[in-house]
Amino acid sequence: AQTVTQSQPEMSVQEAETVTLSCTYDTSENNYYLFWYKQPPSRQMILVIRQEAYKQQNATENRFSVNFQKAAKSFSLKISDSQLGDTAMYFCALNINFGNEKLTFGTGTRLTIIP
Amino acid sequence: DSGVTQTPKHLITATGQRVTLRCSPRSGDLSVYWYQQSLDQGLQFLIQYYNGEERAKGNILERFSAQQFPDLHSELNLSSLELGDSALYFCASSPTDRSYNEQFFGPGTRLTVL
Repeated sequence: AQTVTQSQPEMSVQEAETVTLSCTYDTSENNYYLFWYKQPPSRQMILVIRQEAYKQQNATENRFSVNFQKAAKSFSLKISDSQLGDTAMYFCALNINFGNEKLTFGTGTRLTIIP
Repeated sequence: DSGVTQTPKHLITATGQRVTLRCSPRSGDLSVYWYQQSLDQGLQFLIQYYNGEERAKGNILERFSAQQFPDLHSELNLSSLELGDSALYFCASSPTDRSYNEQFFGPGTRLTVL
């Protein structure tokens, strides 16, 4: 069974600062995919960034980047130059490579950007 | 806008009743996933359909059932509703049944059971 753990229920940071959200996971599979999803107050789930486990290079998408440590089963999200629109719940999710292609989500981190 | 539509947006009903939630995937997407988001359980995978066939099952109660029709839209049926079924129900779609695909989420249906 897969598990995803987000140990920071809430975080807040000043606008324009950098913030890092933590995520650890557990799976016995070697091939899998990790995702960060954002859920703003509108409740829409939006993909932020995706990482393939077989790739050593960390994924980046504009101001969003990850620190993927496969051996430690850690997958943190760094948001640079944070903006008010980044205020949202952030969910880390895991998807194994074959069989049951469900997303297993962490419990989320509520991020507030302070003006 | 993800391209995934869900109806209705809100649903209020009573215990013991039955409701149907509807989802239309993005054009061309063959996989549909259903998730339940509640305060105490977080985001839980319920069931996946791929091109009309059930592909994977998660923590879906026996009172719940789903299907995917030939036009690829999907319906989630919830029966004998209990207070604890109150939640946000998301539908997501992806092009194939492969795990590397991004899943595109709909806006959700907020179900309130009184």
